[in-house]
Amino acid sequence: EPEVTQTPSHQVTQMGQEVILRCVPISNHLYFYWYRQILGQKVEFLVSFYNNEISEKSEIFDDQFSVERPDGSNFTLKIRSTKLEDSAMYFCASSSRGEQYFGPGTRLTVT
Amino acid sequence: GIQVEQSPPDLILQEGANSTLRCNFSDSVNNLQWFHQNPWGQLINLFYIPSGTKQNGRLSATTVATERYSLLYISSSQTTDSGVYFCAVTKYSNDMRFGAGTRLTVKP
Repeated sequence: EPEVTQTPSHQVTQMGQEVILRCVPISNHLYFYWYRQILGQKVEFLVSFYNNEISEKSEIFDDQFSVERPDGSNFTLKIRSTKLEDSAMYFCASSSRGEQYFGPGTRLTVT
Repeated sequence: GIQVEQSPPDLILQEGANSTLRCNFSDSVNNLQWFHQNPWGQLINLFYIPSGTKQNGRLSATTVATERYSLLYISSSQTTDSGVYFCAVTKYSNDMRFGAGTRLTVKP
């Protein structure tokens, strides 16, 4: 069964550094998403991406964040200058329509 | 925006017991999903159920869209069912809103 994959599974970075989180969505899906989950809290929507552009974004998704689909398979989330409060699990998801399929997540730890 | 409330927040069961988890939402939705978050943090899709009833083994779910709630039933619970169960919805957008979850602990 096709699945969404994410790399790395765990990333440790120092405050102020740039990080790029990578995702490979399911191949025939057209919609891509990033969510985050701070430890012990609910999952929060960050951004959705369709037809090579952002279709929706939350207030969390400020100028420090960007997304890109650099080729036909990868979907990336970049955080330009990480803060301590960016420490969270980041989930990528994809869909064709309706049901969203989630990847296993990348745990980002900012020290 | 749409509000999603899950109950109970915590549930402790003895292995073999049955349980019902509830998800209420504040507006009409076009997508509702149930997830199980395992101890490693992975979100496992359980059901895509914007309306109606579905069953998958010991798990089943019912969404009554007109009354804005969904129920997840777990029968004959096992220790591996432990974890957090999330309900999430969308309304004419891709912005999926999650509830706060129900933390289930199944004791042997």
